[in-house]
Amino acid sequence: DADVTQTPRNRITKTGKRIMLECSQTKGHDRMYWYRQDPGLGLQLIYYSFDVKDINKGEISDGYSVSRQAQAKFSLSLESAIPNQTALYFCATSGLESDDEQFFGPGTRLTVL
Amino acid sequence: LAKTTQPISMDSYEGQEVNITCSHNNIATNDYITWYQQFPSQGPRFIIQGYKTKVTNEVASLFIPADRKSSTLSLPRVSLSDTAVYYCLVGDAIRGNTGKLIFGQGTTLQVKP
Repeated sequence: DADVTQTPRNRITKTGKRIMLECSQTKGHDRMYWYRQDPGLGLQLIYYSFDVKDINKGEISDGYSVSRQAQAKFSLSLESAIPNQTALYFCATSGLESDDEQFFGPGTRLTVL
Repeated sequence: LAKTTQPISMDSYEGQEVNITCSHNNIATNDYITWYQQFPSQGPRFIIQGYKTKVTNEVASLFIPADRKSSTLSLPRVSLSDTAVYYCLVGDAIRGNTGKLIFGQGTTLQVKP
């Protein structure tokens, strides 16, 4: 969905490097989410934010941090990347009217060597 | 959050109706049932949502029995392009108390010619 964009789309990095994944949305939604997906598995929630001043940990927040720079922007950082953080990362947004309908970005494929 | 159980995989042929059942024995009074579809290397896409009885849209139907402990996603006359992973989610959709959706492993549907 072009309303939710993620950069970069692909990234290869080395163990110990700091990585930032960015997400922007033009849907005007207050709520934003970061998920990771490992091959053959479902999505796991890393962090979520209900508005600019509200950030919450998800299931697997260890090793990650986030920043909600504006309503439209939500960044995910890996301070010191490790190989088991190799995964597909998705950003999503939702509005107050229908919380369960989350709109996903195209994903970022991250490889940590 | 209510846990969901659904088959890991299903096979079907073009033109057939496909029914995917999800169990959610611990569903709470305020929980809605939501289904998402995910194609390879893409973010999940909302398909349908319901609370009780039957919901139908242009893509699928959702059947929910009176006890709400299970639900069935019905895809009429599937085509090859319906090959995807289908996720059943159960979450609190009351405004202000939700956002934390949990994606399980999903059901991988393979449609054959």
